[in-house]
Amino acid sequence: NAGVTQTPKFRVLKTGQSMTLLCAQDMNHEYMYWYRQDPGMGLRLIHYSVGEGTTAKGEVPDGYNVSRLKKQNFLLGLESAAPSQTSVYFCASSPRPDTQYFGPGTRLTVL
Amino acid sequence: KQEVTQIPAALSVPEGENLVLNCSFTDSAIYNLQWFRQDPGKGLTSLLLIQSSQREQTSGRLNASLDKSSGRSTLYIAASQPGDSATYLCAATDSWGKLQFGAGTQVVVTP
Repeated sequence: NAGVTQTPKFRVLKTGQSMTLLCAQDMNHEYMYWYRQDPGMGLRLIHYSVGEGTTAKGEVPDGYNVSRLKKQNFLLGLESAAPSQTSVYFCASSPRPDTQYFGPGTRLTVL
Repeated sequence: KQEVTQIPAALSVPEGENLVLNCSFTDSAIYNLQWFRQDPGKGLTSLLLIQSSQREQTSGRLNASLDKSSGRSTLYIAASQPGDSATYLCAATDSWGKLQFGAGTQVVVTP
């Protein structure tokens, strides 16, 4: 099992560009989450999904959209990137509201 | 809104000393409390998970306690080693599996 994988690992964008981050899990988990981590602030929840076809807002959803068309994939989109979205993005999955399994992270820089 | 605080923000100890890391949370209606380890530039590794009905969990040199009434959890690491150097994060989980993280305690164990 690969566990939770994230694509890409690094990305540099210019302000106003768009991109999609892909999270994939091969553990058949129902729950998936997107977090961002900024220096000195811990991780904050952006969006989450409790099953295929469902999404919900977390603590900091503005400027992001998500889709969960397939159970194993959870996509995070930035329609018009801003410097404030420079961060490290982590995806996680879990079979139930319990231990979450985290991906390795995507380091995004917006210039 | 759940708020999680970790004190101290940074800690340096000589090898062999016991580590005590503190975590406090404002809403006692938690599903569970989790402790994670994060190495620089890496993802999160789950260390211990304490269900809301439990008072402590142990794994090797690690012991975590939970006191819901006072909104506190403590992570003890016995006989610290240089390999224990990392950032330790605690997170309170709600019934949807959403994690509210503290900002973390950065630990340095000197040989």
